[in-house]
Amino acid sequence: NAGVMQNPRHLVRRRGQEARLRCSPMKGHSHVYWYRQLPEEGLKFMVYLQKENIIDESGMPKERFSAEFPKEGPSILRIQQVVRGDSAAYFCASSPPGLARTDYEQYFGPGTRLTVT
Amino acid sequence: KNQVEQSPQSLIILEGKNCTLQCNYTVSPFSNLRWYKQDTGRGPVSLTIMTFSENTKSNGRYTATLDADTKQSSLHITASQLSDSASYICVVSVNNYGQNFVFGPGTRLSVLP
Repeated sequence: NAGVMQNPRHLVRRRGQEARLRCSPMKGHSHVYWYRQLPEEGLKFMVYLQKENIIDESGMPKERFSAEFPKEGPSILRIQQVVRGDSAAYFCASSPPGLARTDYEQYFGPGTRLTVT
Repeated sequence: KNQVEQSPQSLIILEGKNCTLQCNYTVSPFSNLRWYKQDTGRGPVSLTIMTFSENTKSNGRYTATLDADTKQSSLHITASQLSDSASYICVVSVNNYGQNFVFGPGTRLSVLP
């Protein structure tokens, strides 16, 4: 059973370009979470999705950032018109289906390191 | 404001020694507390998870304690190994429907030979 997969592992974008980060959850998992980790800082929650639904996007910046988890395929975190401050590691985590979300284990992917030049 | 603090910020110990990492939180309502290990360049990996009624939980050489009254937790590492060098993150879950996980900044542990 493969773990959570993220690609690319490293992404370099110039200011103003778009960045697309992909996350494939563990098999059987239907919950996906995205986190951002700035250098020397802790992880910050961004968004929580289930298949075809955004459940909680309270941690996502209102502009330029969007996320989706389509019925088929990986979850995508999209950052439009990137700026230097977007440089960070972006981690995806998945958990199995269930009502009590906080009681389930989250399994993290290896992260995508975004560098904006 | 829901917040998780960890101390020390960084720690250096010699291989074979024990160490204890601290976590204080002001999170309400409380659901559970987890400790994660994050190797450099990797995603966090869960070590322990404790609910309100649990005082201690062990995972090999890792032992976590929880005092829900004082809102403190500790992670004790016994007989440290070089592979224990990593960041250790305390995460507290909020028992409501919203942003459910509050992450601490982590303690950076370096184990030297």
